[in-house]
Amino acid sequence: DTGVSQNPRHKITKRGQNVTFRCDPISEHNRLYWYRQTLGQGPEFLTYFQNEAQLEKSRLLSDRFSAERPKGSFSTLEIQRTEQGDSAMYLCASSSRDRGYNEQFFGPGTRLTVL
Amino acid sequence: AQSVTQPDIHITVSEGASLELRCNYSYGATPYLFWYVQSPGQGLQLLLKYFSGDTLVQGIKGFEAEFKRSQSSFNLRKPSVHWSDAAEYFCAVGGQPARQLTFGSGTQLTVLP
Repeated sequence: DTGVSQNPRHKITKRGQNVTFRCDPISEHNRLYWYRQTLGQGPEFLTYFQNEAQLEKSRLLSDRFSAERPKGSFSTLEIQRTEQGDSAMYLCASSSRDRGYNEQFFGPGTRLTVL
Repeated sequence: AQSVTQPDIHITVSEGASLELRCNYSYGATPYLFWYVQSPGQGLQLLLKYFSGDTLVQGIKGFEAEFKRSQSSFNLRKPSVHWSDAAEYFCAVGGQPARQLTFGSGTQLTVLP
C-alpha cells in the first residue's frame, strides 16, 4: 500500500493562468475524490469518480474547473483562468468497495497560491 | 443535508493532561463518523471510525471516541496527551449510499510542555 500521491505538492501561479494537478490513488481503489481546503476550514467536497465515471460534482466546482479520470486510475484536476480565490489546498482521496467506500484515504495535498 | 459542528476552534492542554474534542453532527439516518488529524502542510490521517456496533471505538495513537445517538455527538478523547499530538483535528460524517464526506471546520490542538 503506497498511499495516495499528489503532484505537485506546491504550485504558485499568476492570476489568469491555467493549472493542472495530478492524483494517483491507492492501486486497488476504484473511487477517487477531490476536496478543497481553505485556511482555517475543513475540506469541502468538489467531485468524485467511480472508475472513469464522474458521478457527482459539487456546486463549488465552477465551469473553470474540470476533472478527469480517463482510464480509471490517476485523475487530473484543471483550473482555468485562475483567480486569487482559488488559492487553497486541493486534497485527493480514494476508497474501495471492500471497505464500503466510506473510509477514504487522503493524499498530502497540492497547495495552490494564486498571485 | 448532512453537517458537522466542531464548537471549539482552538484548545490548549498541558502534556500529560486528558483531552476531549467535541463533535456534533446532523444526518437523517445512521451516520458513518470519522476523526481525522492533520499536521501543518500535510494531508489527513484517519484516527478512527464508527460504522455500527459498539459505540465506543478505539483508534490509533491512543485515541478513542464515543458515539451518542441521543446527543448527535461523536467526541474524541485521549487520557494523556503527548506533545506530538499537537495538530488540527477534523470530525467528518458520511452515509449510505457512500458518497462524499462532510467535514467540520476543525479544532486546533496546542500542547504545552
